[in-house]
Amino acid sequence: DAGVIQSPRHEVTEMGQEVTLRCKPISGHNSLFWYRQTMMRGLELLIYFNNNVPIDDSGMPEDRFSAKMPNASFSTLKIQPSEPRDSAVYFCASSTGPNTEAFFGQGTRLTVV
Amino acid sequence: AQSVTQPDIHITVSEGASLELRCNYSYGATPYLFWYVQSPGQGLQLLLKYFSGDTLVQGIKGFEAEFKRSQSSFNLRKPSVHWSDAAEYFCAVGGSSNYQLIWGAGTKLIIKP
Repeated sequence: DAGVIQSPRHEVTEMGQEVTLRCKPISGHNSLFWYRQTMMRGLELLIYFNNNVPIDDSGMPEDRFSAKMPNASFSTLKIQPSEPRDSAVYFCASSTGPNTEAFFGQGTRLTVV
Repeated sequence: AQSVTQPDIHITVSEGASLELRCNYSYGATPYLFWYVQSPGQGLQLLLKYFSGDTLVQGIKGFEAEFKRSQSSFNLRKPSVHWSDAAEYFCAVGGSSNYQLIWGAGTKLIIKP
């Protein structure tokens, strides 16, 4: 398996634009996590899916953020409209269960100017 | 309150020297403990984990960690570091009924030649 695949690796966008981050989890994993990493706040869990269903989205900063998982092999994180303070590295991770090893993608470095 | 403290933001050690990275946690239930490593520009990779049993846990890349319940600690050790160990190391705690990991702020390991 190729591991968790995220795209794009880097994204630079202007404030106000819509940004969509993509994630393909490892086949057979039924848990998927979106994290945001910044110097100031460290790693923050944004949302957790189990069997494609959002279980906890309390970490999503505000309504500008939304996440979907239409099937077991694909998830998106959308920011609309984007703001400079959204600049961060966004990680997707998948696992076979909530407290098993989480496999992380390489992340998407988002810069909003 | 649930928390993970990694008291050292940076640690510098000489290549070939021994290493210990500290991790203290506060958690209201039986903890599941993890150490992850993040190389520059990469996602996080699991080094080792402790759920139960032997309190000395062996991981990948020659790392080990010891769970000490009385001290609420889960320190990471390596007898002899290599230049390739330069990275950021994260300690995390979770529980059997809680999918959300509590993450430490990370310790950046610098290797002197």
